[in-house]
Amino acid sequence: NAGVTQTPKFRVLKTGQSMTLLCAQDMNHEYMYWYRQDPGMGLRLIHYSVGEGTTAKGEVPDGYNVSRLKKQNFLLGLESAAPSQTSVYFCASSYSGTRNIQYFGAGTRLSVL
Amino acid sequence: AQKVTQAQTEISVVEKEDVTLDCVYETRDTTYYLFWYKQPPSGELVFLIRRNSFDEQNEISGRYSWNFQKSTSSFNFTITASQVVDSAVYFCALDQNSGYALNFGKGTSLLVTP
Repeated sequence: NAGVTQTPKFRVLKTGQSMTLLCAQDMNHEYMYWYRQDPGMGLRLIHYSVGEGTTAKGEVPDGYNVSRLKKQNFLLGLESAAPSQTSVYFCASSYSGTRNIQYFGAGTRLSVL
Repeated sequence: AQKVTQAQTEISVVEKEDVTLDCVYETRDTTYYLFWYKQPPSGELVFLIRRNSFDEQNEISGRYSWNFQKSTSSFNFTITASQVVDSAVYFCALDQNSGYALNFGKGTSLLVTP
């Protein structure tokens, strides 16, 4: 079972470059989330989606955009990367009715130089 | 405001010792859910348990047990007879009012040495 798959696993960017992180889930979950994990900070929510075509801001949305064109995919975009966006990014998904048992991907480690 | 505090940043134990990871939370909700996740060195986050605010029974799953006490707003996690494979970062989390995301603590790094 694939579960939640994130691509790429690692990426190095230069300041000002753009990129898109892809999250795919095969569990038919309605909700999807993007978090970032920084040392000593735990996980913080960037954006989330409660269904195809809908997205909303989380705790730390600045500098990121998201899209959910298909139920199984949730894309996280960085239009102009900054060193402060160096982090590990996690995607998660959940059913709408199970009160947030979230299932996580393996993470994407991003470095912005 | 909702908040989760894991006061222990790092814990180191020798194999076969018992270890308790503390989690204290703050919420104004009467209905809420608490979670524990494990993050092994490989990096992925693994769901361990979910507990709702109306169920204060302790839960045991093999060597893992959880003690939920509403009176002290705590949801502590105990590993009995720890093993090297238990080495990981453990996160406690609380669901938010919106129900759309989890509020994570900063995690406790557990190192179990042979």
